[in-house]
Amino acid sequence: GQQLNQSPQSMFIQEGEDVSMNCTSSSIFNTWLWYKQDPGEGPVLLIALYKAGELTSNGRLTAQFGITRKDSFLNISASIPSDVGIYFCAGQVTNAGKSTFGDGTTLTVKP
Amino acid sequence: SAVISQKPSRDICQRGTSLTIQCQVDSQVTMMFWYRQQPGQSLTLIATANQGSEATYESGFVIDKFPISRPNLTFSTLTVSNMSPEDSSIYLCSVENSGSSYNEQFFGPGTRLTVL
Repeated sequence: GQQLNQSPQSMFIQEGEDVSMNCTSSSIFNTWLWYKQDPGEGPVLLIALYKAGELTSNGRLTAQFGITRKDSFLNISASIPSDVGIYFCAGQVTNAGKSTFGDGTTLTVKP
Repeated sequence: SAVISQKPSRDICQRGTSLTIQCQVDSQVTMMFWYRQQPGQSLTLIATANQGSEATYESGFVIDKFPISRPNLTFSTLTVSNMSPEDSSIYLCSVENSGSSYNEQFFGPGTRLTVL
């Protein structure tokens, strides 16, 4: 089946620093989604990307849909303590809504 | 975005018993899904809950173990049958409106299941 390789697995950064994480796949996806999951909660959608090359921002978050449709990255600028959590990328092939998830990047922000 | 609630939020169950998890959405949605998230792991799709017909299961998941109902466009249940400790996971309901141009998929808060 399809697999997403998400990196890094974990990050420990200082408050105010920028963060970058990415997902790669051997398969093409037509939609990329980025989620954040807090402990004890379900994943919350941060950004959705629909076109190859698309660059989308949501506040301090910026994500891009790779030109090859096999990768995506998420950047967080000027990190704050509430950015702590697990970030997942997810890819969809069709409009059927079934997502393949990456293994997650655990972000720790030190005040 | 849709507001999704799940019941129960958590449970501790004995081996060999079954638990039914409910998912309620505040609006009609086209697609409903059930995912499993094992401790420290990513999310794995169990099945697509189809309204008025049998669910579509992913490889490795079967109806006898995870029977699913979806009587209408706002409600679904997932049963974890004949549980074993390996079934200890977070079970997440997810929805998407495929009629929209945008494939935005939303998740409920999850049901944290511990099997002893």
